[in-house]
Amino acid sequence: GENVEQHPSTLSVQEGDSAVIKCTYSDSASNYFPWYKQELGKRPQLIIDIRSNVGEKKDQRIAVTLNKTAKHFSLHITETQPEDSAVYFCAASTGNEKLTFGTGTRLTIIP
Amino acid sequence: DVKVTQSSRYLVKRTGEKVFLECVQDMDHENMFWYRQDPGLGLRLIYFSYDVKMKEKGDIPEGYSVSREKKERFSLILESASTNQTSMYLCASSTGTKLFFGSGTQLSVL
Repeated sequence: GENVEQHPSTLSVQEGDSAVIKCTYSDSASNYFPWYKQELGKRPQLIIDIRSNVGEKKDQRIAVTLNKTAKHFSLHITETQPEDSAVYFCAASTGNEKLTFGTGTRLTIIP
Repeated sequence: DVKVTQSSRYLVKRTGEKVFLECVQDMDHENMFWYRQDPGLGLRLIYFSYDVKMKEKGDIPEGYSVSREKKERFSLILESASTNQTSMYLCASSTGTKLFFGSGTQLSVL
């Protein structure tokens, strides 16, 4: 089955700086890669996703890049703000609605 | 707005008890999922269902079973609870690739 590795497990950045979280996947048939954000005490919510026919996708301060050859994808957050503090999960799917999640990254924004 | 409701926010049970975790969604979604969340292990899929009365094993189904008698309700059953099943349990539903999660049930097995 699919295996998704996520790094780093914790990340602290100064407010206003950029944050990058990286994930690798094992199944070359995977074609859908979402990112979920879980604020403290709340449920995970989808923040951005990318499909395998696209190399990069942006939504305001967040962007996701995908390298199919290397089987890795990354989340980039620019101009970080205190409300970006959360746990972020990457995931991969072969398109059958079943997601395999990474182990999560706890991002802390230092004021 | 999609609503996924889990019946209990916190639950404390004894070893060997049969435990039922209930999940209801109000958006007529075909797909429903049960995940377990543990620190450092992320979200691991226990069971999922694409339709009423059907179920498929996820990555960690041992010690669990599920029931989906109605489209809106998906139940997770711990036949004989054990201490290693102490965890946060998250239910989710989808009608495509986007998952909508419930607020979770923190289960403690003593």
